[in-house]
Amino acid sequence: DAGVIQSPRHEVTEMGQEVTLRCKPISGHDYLFWYRQTMMRGLELLIYFNNNVPIDDSGMPEDRFSAKMPNASFSTLKIQPSEPRDSAVYFCASSLAPDLRIYEQYFGPGTRLTVT
Amino acid sequence: GQNIDQPTEMTATEGAIVQINCTYQTSGFNGLFWYQQHAGEAPTFLSYNVLDGLEEKGRFSSFLSRSKGYSYLLLKELQMKDSASYLCAVRDSYSGAGSYQLTFGKGTKLSVIP
Repeated sequence: DAGVIQSPRHEVTEMGQEVTLRCKPISGHDYLFWYRQTMMRGLELLIYFNNNVPIDDSGMPEDRFSAKMPNASFSTLKIQPSEPRDSAVYFCASSLAPDLRIYEQYFGPGTRLTVT
Repeated sequence: GQNIDQPTEMTATEGAIVQINCTYQTSGFNGLFWYQQHAGEAPTFLSYNVLDGLEEKGRFSSFLSRSKGYSYLLLKELQMKDSASYLCAVRDSYSGAGSYQLTFGKGTKLSVIP
């Protein structure tokens, strides 16, 4: 398997523009997670899906952020309008359903977003 | 909620042993993970503990004490390539209703020097 795939790898945009980040999870994984990583706050969970259904979006910073998972092999994270404080590395991760087993999360390579 | 603490930075010498501590206060617990993250790369899974005790995996070992809310990652025979950030993460209780998430500490940046 190719692992979790994210695109683009780097994005530079101007304040006020719409940004769309994309993720393809590992085939067969039930869970998909979106994280944001900054030096100040570390790795923060934004939202996660189980079988394409959003389970917890309490980490989404504000209404400017939205995420969708239209099918089992694709998810998007959208920021509209973008602001300089959104600059961070955004990771997508996927895993099998954990129940009582390990089922660690596998991370994609991340998208480094810079908003000027 | 979850609160996870680990040292910000550590330095150790090549060939030595280093222990990275993690303490947590959580409302639920269903396992503790350690991830390694090299600069500019994604986190990768290192180890998992759900029961008290030591789990060994080659040069890396991880220990858990649930009653103390404490874990450590032990790295032996340090190599230069071990220079990375090490993230402690706690998984909350699995409710069976789809609820499952990891809360990460801010990570410990380990520098291995010759």
